[in-house]
Amino acid sequence: EAGVVQSPRYKIIEKKQPVAFWCNPISGHNTLYWYRQNLGQGPELLIRYENEEAVDDSQLPKDRFSAERLKGVDSTLKIQPAELGDSAVYLCASSLAGTGMIRETQYFGPGTRLLVL
Amino acid sequence: AQKVTQAQTEISVVEKEDVTLDCVYETRDTTYYLFWYKQPPSGELVFLIRRNSFDEQNEISGRYSWNFQKSTSSFNFTITASQVVDSAVYFCALSEYSGNTGKLIFGQGTTLQVKP
Repeated sequence: EAGVVQSPRYKIIEKKQPVAFWCNPISGHNTLYWYRQNLGQGPELLIRYENEEAVDDSQLPKDRFSAERLKGVDSTLKIQPAELGDSAVYLCASSLAGTGMIRETQYFGPGTRLLVL
Repeated sequence: AQKVTQAQTEISVVEKEDVTLDCVYETRDTTYYLFWYKQPPSGELVFLIRRNSFDEQNEISGRYSWNFQKSTSSFNFTITASQVVDSAVYFCALSEYSGNTGKLIFGQGTTLQVKP
């Protein structure tokens, strides 16, 4: 069974430029998560999707970050414009759990390492 | 408020030594899950184990074992006879049932270096 796929693996951009990350979850997983992991820290949740609905985006900086999951499968996370402080690893995870159920185990992709210069 | 503390920032051992990674958590919920993940240099977080708050049985899986103690709010992880391939960053995480968010609260991570 294929795991969570993310691309690109690495991205270097200049500040004020836009950037987008793509995630394909494990087949059949209806819950998708985006996390940000700063250097030397644990991941922190940005947004969670149940199918195509964003059910928890309270930690997403909405002035510059946006995300979508149009058909309830793949998802894209965008930053526009990027700032120096956005340099981090962006991790995507997926799980089987749906609304009302205790969370199942989250399976993570390899992440996208972003460097903003 | 929920919180996970991994007080050990870095641990270095020689191959075949046993090593224990500490994890202490805080939560007001009576129902919650605890997890351990491994993050090798490749960057992917690899799931190792999940425990729920009602199951305090210790678990052993090969060279790995976990000690869950609600009385001390700890969920420690022991690697027996460590190997170089165990070198990685290990994260403990907490998920609370209430609020139904599925949000994982991670500790800061413990970097384990196993030397040959």
